[in-house]
Amino acid sequence: EIVMTQSPATLSVSPGERATLSCRASQSITTNLAWYQQKPGQAPRLLFYAASTRATGVPARFSGSGSGAEFTLTITSLQSEDFAVYYCQHYNNWPPEFTFGPGTRVDLK
Amino acid sequence: QLQLVQSGAEVKKPGSSVKVSCKASGGSINSFPISWVRQAPGKGFDWMGEIIPMFGTLNYAPKFQGRVTITADKSTSTVYMELSSLRSEDTAVYFCARENKVTDYYYYMDVWGGGTTVTVSS
Repeated sequence: EIVMTQSPATLSVSPGERATLSCRASQSITTNLAWYQQKPGQAPRLLFYAASTRATGVPARFSGSGSGAEFTLTITSLQSEDFAVYYCQHYNNWPPEFTFGPGTRVDLK
Repeated sequence: QLQLVQSGAEVKKPGSSVKVSCKASGGSINSFPISWVRQAPGKGFDWMGEIIPMFGTLNYAPKFQGRVTITADKSTSTVYMELSSLRSEDTAVYFCARENKVTDYYYYMDVWGGGTTVTVSS
């Protein structure tokens, strides 16, 4: 079973600053990774799939990178609407199963 | 544009069952896998299982196997998730989500329902 971990648990950032979020898999998952943003009381929103492919409508200040077991979500020049919880997710092909990381909360410094 | 509309909040007694619906509007979900994911208060996500409505193909997470039943009504583009033998730990928001893929190995969830709150309390 592949386990996903994220760090830090909470990241305190000022508007306009850069935020770097980490996601790690317990073994290599090539680029089989997605990132989601969730705001309070809302459903998650897809940000990236295949580690670095930006989903429709996601601003260019967001970028996804990494392969193997180490992945990064970067938000350059954080905006007020970016304060949220960010989750990474891996899909295991067999047996079919989605595994999510525990999340990183980005809050106001 | 596809939207997934879920049924309303439920309050259930321990030991009972709950059935949550997820109806597609603005598109069909018959050829896409639909997943159910839950989120306990203040917690992360637990994947529960999936169905491909067109084929009736089912996969359940081991944690929920035996307690969860996912079905689909192709004629109405509606997917259902029923969870039985409810306990307090099942109190959560339950989401349906459409799965999409890059290849046959890279799946992700690109359209989500708004969530259904299920509260289990005596």
